[in-house]
Amino acid sequence: AQRVTQPEKLLSVFKGAPVELKCNYSYSGSPELFWYVQYSRQRLQLLLRHISRESIKGFTADLNKGETSFHLKKPFAQEEDSAMYYCALSSPSGTYKYIFGTGTRLKVLA
Amino acid sequence: NAGVTQTPKFQVLKTGQSMTLQCAQDMNHEYMSWYRQDPGMGLRLIHYSVGAGITDQGEVPNGYNVSRSTTEDFPLRLLSAAPSQTSVYFCASSYSYGRGVGGSPLHFGNGTRLTVT
Repeated sequence: AQRVTQPEKLLSVFKGAPVELKCNYSYSGSPELFWYVQYSRQRLQLLLRHISRESIKGFTADLNKGETSFHLKKPFAQEEDSAMYYCALSSPSGTYKYIFGTGTRLKVLA
Repeated sequence: NAGVTQTPKFQVLKTGQSMTLQCAQDMNHEYMSWYRQDPGMGLRLIHYSVGAGITDQGEVPNGYNVSRSTTEDFPLRLLSAAPSQTSVYFCASSYSYGRGVGGSPLHFGNGTRLTVT
């Protein structure tokens, strides 16, 4: 079964410290993986997706098929990064379902 | 473009009442879906649709109905509200599920906060 696991409910870091939000998935095939972010009082929005290999707001994420992980990283956290982050998976074909993890709340402390 | 529009933003129901959460998108997206967001549970898929006239169940479909008569609209009906349906509901759409390079990310509405007493 498809599953996305985000082991941390809450991650607190100090401003300027590195950030890593963990995401592991289970899927027998080649999934498409995304990170979504929800800032306070805003709608969920796409942060980045693995196929694009881009850096958005200083965040990057690398798909590691061997470890079935898609961790989100940023070298220097900013206070405005405080938000709820969701890792999500979609299968390229078949079930037509986007599966989300339980989310990690990131708090960046001054 | 307005994107994905959800109404109402807030709603309070009594147990046993029914209501419809509205969702509309103006991006000509084929794929539309409903999620509920609960603390510690993340986003759970209720129902989804890959095109007009086609709907299917997600992870937590019980107590909810959907229909997709047009590309733009995807209403979610609560048949007989229960306190367990107290949640924040999100509608989301994407251009074309799974097809093409890079997938097709979801566009979300602002959410509806529902309380059932």
